[in-house]
Amino acid sequence: DADVTQTPRNRITKTGKRIMLECSQTKGHDRMYWYRQDPGLGLRLIYYSFDVKDINKGEISDGYSVSRQAQAKFSLSLESAIPNQTALYFCATSDPGLAGVEAQYFGPGTRLTVL
Amino acid sequence: EDKVVQSPLSLVVHEGDTVTLNCSYEVTNFRSLLWYKQEKKAPTFLFMLTSSGIEKKSGRLSSILDKKELFSILNITATQTGDSAIYLCSTAGGTSYGKLTFGQGTILTVHP
Repeated sequence: DADVTQTPRNRITKTGKRIMLECSQTKGHDRMYWYRQDPGLGLRLIYYSFDVKDINKGEISDGYSVSRQAQAKFSLSLESAIPNQTALYFCATSDPGLAGVEAQYFGPGTRLTVL
Repeated sequence: EDKVVQSPLSLVVHEGDTVTLNCSYEVTNFRSLLWYKQEKKAPTFLFMLTSSGIEKKSGRLSSILDKKELFSILNITATQTGDSAIYLCSTAGGTSYGKLTFGQGTILTVHP
């Protein structure tokens, strides 16, 4: 079984709809992240959480919200989807390890299309 | 604002060629540089570099960091079609531990 899972894997929705993307992990990591990927722009951080009570905005949080329901679960919501939120969304996890030095492990991604 | 720039943005080679991918960065309180390979979907971790001049190697892939000139290179020797992917460079730094800043990625295509 995959360590980081995302549901759904693909989603097509209409402008104005509320959408939730879910992420679960079995790695036991405290830290979880949501990114979006657009062609030519690499990965951009939307929100991140270092533990259940800690939620932080990333560089492109406008139009998104998150919920950390448990150590293993981190969901991303689009309150009112718009077409420029069409992208590939990744969840990632990490473990502190050496202070400040840590690799992130990514889920398989969710391809979201907003019409 | 932290910045990571990769070059070239895309590269097409033939099997057996050697390629060098570049990553330059401007990061406050730099701690590490990480390379990822993305095939079809999820990025997978390749290397983490924290010290200058020490080469990390895994099979045909190797990488080195220059903290004075603020760049890293990823070399792939004797390329194979399975090396075709997007290669992402990222850095960890700043005051918030755990956050990574990613470059745009280099799209590598290896033809038979």
